[in-house]
Amino acid sequence: AQSVAQPEDQVNVAEGNPLTVKCTYSVSGNPYLFWYVQYPNRGLQFLLKYITGDNLVKGSYGFEAEFNKSQTSFHLKKPSALVSDSALYFCAVRPPASGTYKYIFGTGTRLKVLA
Amino acid sequence: EPEVTQTPSHQVTQMGQEVILRCVPISNHLYFYWYRQILGQKVEFLVSFYNNEISEKSEIFDDQFSVERPDGSNFTLKIRSTKLEDSAMYFCASTLGAGGYEQYFGPGTRLTVT
Repeated sequence: AQSVAQPEDQVNVAEGNPLTVKCTYSVSGNPYLFWYVQYPNRGLQFLLKYITGDNLVKGSYGFEAEFNKSQTSFHLKKPSALVSDSALYFCAVRPPASGTYKYIFGTGTRLKVLA
Repeated sequence: EPEVTQTPSHQVTQMGQEVILRCVPISNHLYFYWYRQILGQKVEFLVSFYNNEISEKSEIFDDQFSVERPDGSNFTLKIRSTKLEDSAMYFCASTLGAGGYEQYFGPGTRLTVT
């Protein structure tokens, strides 16, 4: 079965420190990979995506993510965390099969940036 | 910046009642989706809609659920006879096209079935 794993329910990091939110996937073929952020009482907000090409992709608010095909991972990173980055982060995968445009989501990781 | 909007933000209904959740996707988008998130759980795909028909649906999307695009702007999810386990946050999403386009999500409708 196709799945996405976010192994950490919560990540705590001090403001100014680098952060990593982990995501691994189990999907056959070459899926499209996405990261979304959810603030309280808000919808899911797109951060970045990997479709093809350079394994390091840059997105909104200084976030970036590294695609690693051999490890089937797509970890979200930021060099210097801000308190305002505290939110719920979701990794999503779009399987490559023709006509399948749905996302498969991970369970989410709550990021807490401490002042 | 264009946004996906959803109404109502919160709907409380009694078990067995019908509910209609409404969404206005981004105007030039072509693919539409409903997802749900039960409290504390992950976001789950319900259904995708393209060219005025369902293109894919999940096991959750049984005969109690239906979707419709009644006009050029609205996209609705109907639950015919709600159950307690339908209580969740329902998100509408839209995307410009197939391929690598990202989906844009609305703020969600929290459905509470009592």
